[in-house]
Amino acid sequence: EVMLVESGGGVIQPGGSLRLSCAASGFIFSTYTMNWVRQAPGKGLEWVSNIGGSGVRTDYIDSVKGRFTISRDNDKNTLYLQMDSLRAEDTAVYYCAKQEGIAAAGTLWGQGTLVTVSS
Amino acid sequence: SYKLTQLPSVSVSPGQTVTITCSGDTAGGKLGDKFVCWYQQKPGQSPVLVIYQDNRRPSGIPERFSGSNSGNTATLTISETQALDEADYYCQAWDSNIWIFGGGTKLTVL
Repeated sequence: EVMLVESGGGVIQPGGSLRLSCAASGFIFSTYTMNWVRQAPGKGLEWVSNIGGSGVRTDYIDSVKGRFTISRDNDKNTLYLQMDSLRAEDTAVYYCAKQEGIAAAGTLWGQGTLVTVSS
Repeated sequence: SYKLTQLPSVSVSPGQTVTITCSGDTAGGKLGDKFVCWYQQKPGQSPVLVIYQDNRRPSGIPERFSGSNSGNTATLTISETQALDEADYYCQAWDSNIWIFGGGTKLTVL
């Protein structure tokens, strides 16, 4: 079955670190750019980061540059997001999403994992 | 960075047609020159792609959903709207290798 399953969310204090994982199945993971998108409680979708299929090219939203690191293990079909120096404003549901086609559409999304940054 | 603007909410009666618009940031180039996607998100669920590449429907998405993109405005049209179409709808463009999302429009089916 084609699916993405996120894990690793939880409650963390400001300044702490978390690593999110996204396990992919049912497609050739290494051939697709993958994205992380977050959604703060009651708010809209916000793109966070993406990584090319080989893992060489990465991009980040300005607010997480220097704090978050995206990576992937194509042998394990897994996408990661290492989140350091977490802030209250990073509190959100984090989704991983597969990007496809010339329109760079998000054709497959995981169920999301909740990250709560609070003291 | 490029910005997309959506009305916060729109309402429609069952069986009617509704349009949801997405306007681009003119300073960053015409939205019509970029590809636009639309996502539907129901409460507590993940987003679902309903339109990609301006006007194409993924398999499984009803023909009632259609899209267009011209000038500086992209439009999602839902015809014969049903109660199950009530959701948040987000437009998304791809610009400088990143995803840009609109703020979302809450569709209420009265």
